[in-house]
Amino acid sequence: DVKVTQSSRYLVKRTGEKVFLECVQDMDHENMFWYRQDPGLGLRLIYFSYDVKMKEKGDIPEGYSVSREKKERFSLILESASTNQTSMYLCATTTGQGGQPQHFGDGTRLSIL
Amino acid sequence: QKEVEQDPGPLSVPEGAIVSLNCTYSNSAFQYFMWYRQYSRKGPELLMYTYSSGNKEDGRFTAQVDKSSKYISLFIRDSQPSDSATYLCAMSGNFNKFYFGSGTKLNVKP
Repeated sequence: DVKVTQSSRYLVKRTGEKVFLECVQDMDHENMFWYRQDPGLGLRLIYFSYDVKMKEKGDIPEGYSVSREKKERFSLILESASTNQTSMYLCATTTGQGGQPQHFGDGTRLSIL
Repeated sequence: QKEVEQDPGPLSVPEGAIVSLNCTYSNSAFQYFMWYRQYSRKGPELLMYTYSSGNKEDGRFTAQVDKSSKYISLFIRDSQPSDSATYLCAMSGNFNKFYFGSGTKLNVKP
């Protein structure tokens, strides 16, 4: 079974802080994704990575950056947290083959006060 | 118009009922179709994965794809209270871009 582990289930931070969310996968998958999930808006793609040190912007990259220094680890960084970034953040992975389904972690529920 | 449309519900059924969940889509390039189950405060869990048109069965779950109508369904037989969750449909073409429905909240009453 694919295992995708997100470092924190719940996180509370203050506006202006730099926030790091970590995701680790154990299946040697090439592709990793960060989404945020909000009521009424569904899942929205922030960034994805198809290889180490490679990244592509998703639909809502503003205010976020990512880092992928090792194949198994993909980090999402909120450069200066704002209250509108309060959300559920989900990490997902797939193999390098097109069409393969995504596997998700359990999410990090982030609150920015 | 959204790429994928899904009725948000909530859908409330008695235990033992057959549940039908549906999504419609607009992009004829979609070839891969997925259903995820998401319990409250957890991540989506992959339930069913199908390629192109046709049916796929796994236990009490059946996924159906009709590409000519751009319509996919998930059927749950003999529904249980433990099936109470939000169900997300997702789809993709040949590239690693995925399109999700907004999710249907299902409540199975004992």
